Amino acid sequence: GENVEQHPSTLSVQEGDSAVIKCTYSDSASNYFPWYKQELGKGPQLIIDIRSNVGEKKDQRIAVTLNKTAKHFSLHITETQPEDSAVYFCAASRGAAGNKLTFGGGTRVLVKP
Amino acid sequence: NAGVMQNPRHLVRRRGQEARLRCSPMKGHSHVYWYRQLPEEGLKFMVYLQKENIIDESGMPKERFSAEFPKEGPSILRIQQVVRGDSAAYFCASSPLLAGGTGELFFGEGSRLTVL
Repeated sequence: GENVEQHPSTLSVQEGDSAVIKCTYSDSASNYFPWYKQELGKGPQLIIDIRSNVGEKKDQRIAVTLNKTAKHFSLHITETQPEDSAVYFCAASRGAAGNKLTFGGGTRVLVKP
Repeated sequence: NAGVMQNPRHLVRRRGQEARLRCSPMKGHSHVYWYRQLPEEGLKFMVYLQKENIIDESGMPKERFSAEFPKEGPSILRIQQVVRGDSAAYFCASSPLLAGGTGELFFGEGSRLTVL
């Protein structure tokens, strides 16, 4: 089955700096890669996703890159703000409805004002 | 436009009791997934259901755990004879049934089980 590794496990950045989180996956058939943000006591919320036919996707301060050959993908948050502090999870699946997501272990991001 | 609804949000049980967690998917969604999150850990897949069918239960412990998604009503995750190691947050997610579907999952706020 799929295995997703995520690094780092914790990340502390100064407000305004960039944050980068990296994930690798093992299943070459995976083609859907979402990122979730989880705030304390809440459920994960989808913040951005990317499919294997695209190498990069951007949404305001958030961008995701995908390297299918190397089987890794990354989340980039620019101009970080205190409200970006949360746990971020990457995930991978084969993309069709019904295919389960396999999650990375999570990255706790702390943005220091 | 209600999201995925889970209840109870918090549940306390003594060892040996039963826990029942309920999940109502988003309107129009017919796929339900259950994930477990241990403290300070990621989400681990447990089971995937469609109405009246268990499609993939590869992540479910072999004993004491069961899940259903009846034709009418919410999906239920049932844990019998709970042990302390069952203490965790249990998240339900739903996705729509679409031809060539997106795989996008929408999560509920979770049910936090504490076993004393």
